Amino acid sequence: DVKVTQSSRYLVKRTGEKVFLECVQDMDHENMFWYRQDPGLGLRLIYFSYDVKMKEKGDIPEGYSVSREKKERFSLILESASTNQTSMYLCASRPSDREGQPQHFGDGTRLSIL
Amino acid sequence: SQKIEQNSEALNIQEGKTATLTCNYTNYSPAYLQWYRQDPGRGPVFLLLIRENEKEKRKERLKVTFDTTLKQSLFHITASQPADSATYLCALATTGFQKLVFGTGTRLLVSP
Repeated sequence: DVKVTQSSRYLVKRTGEKVFLECVQDMDHENMFWYRQDPGLGLRLIYFSYDVKMKEKGDIPEGYSVSREKKERFSLILESASTNQTSMYLCASRPSDREGQPQHFGDGTRLSIL
Repeated sequence: SQKIEQNSEALNIQEGKTATLTCNYTNYSPAYLQWYRQDPGRGPVFLLLIRENEKEKRKERLKVTFDTTLKQSLFHITASQPADSATYLCALATTGFQKLVFGTGTRLLVSP
């Protein structure tokens, strides 16, 4: 079974802090994704990565950056946390070998910015 | 503008009945559509994929239809059980890299 592990289930940070969210997958998947999920808005794509050291902006990249130095790890960085970044953050991975492969999600990090 | 719409109101049904969830989209030409289940405090879990040239897919008690003329997918759970209670998300993928665009989900409550 594919396992996607997010480093924290709950995190509380202060406005202006630099925040790191970590995600590790154990299935050698090429593609990895970061989403945030908010009530009434669903999952929105922040950034994704085709492969190691590759990254692309999603639909809402402002205020975020990412890092993918190793294939199994995809990090989301909040450069200077703000209260409107309080949300549930979900990481996902997917193989790239053929069309239609499902995304495998972690259980999320619920981040509160005070 | 592009939109994916799922009924935001919870669907309440009795055990044993068929649950039908709807996913409508506008201004997309999806290569395929996926359905996911999400339990509270957990990440979504993939259930089914249906491609643009397929009308219907089945997996055990689950059935998905895809009508590209109506721009709609229907997700059915037959003989529903309380354990089917969850939020169900539809997601479209366009051609190319196939980023997924998710609907907001519909919560299903199956009562005994």
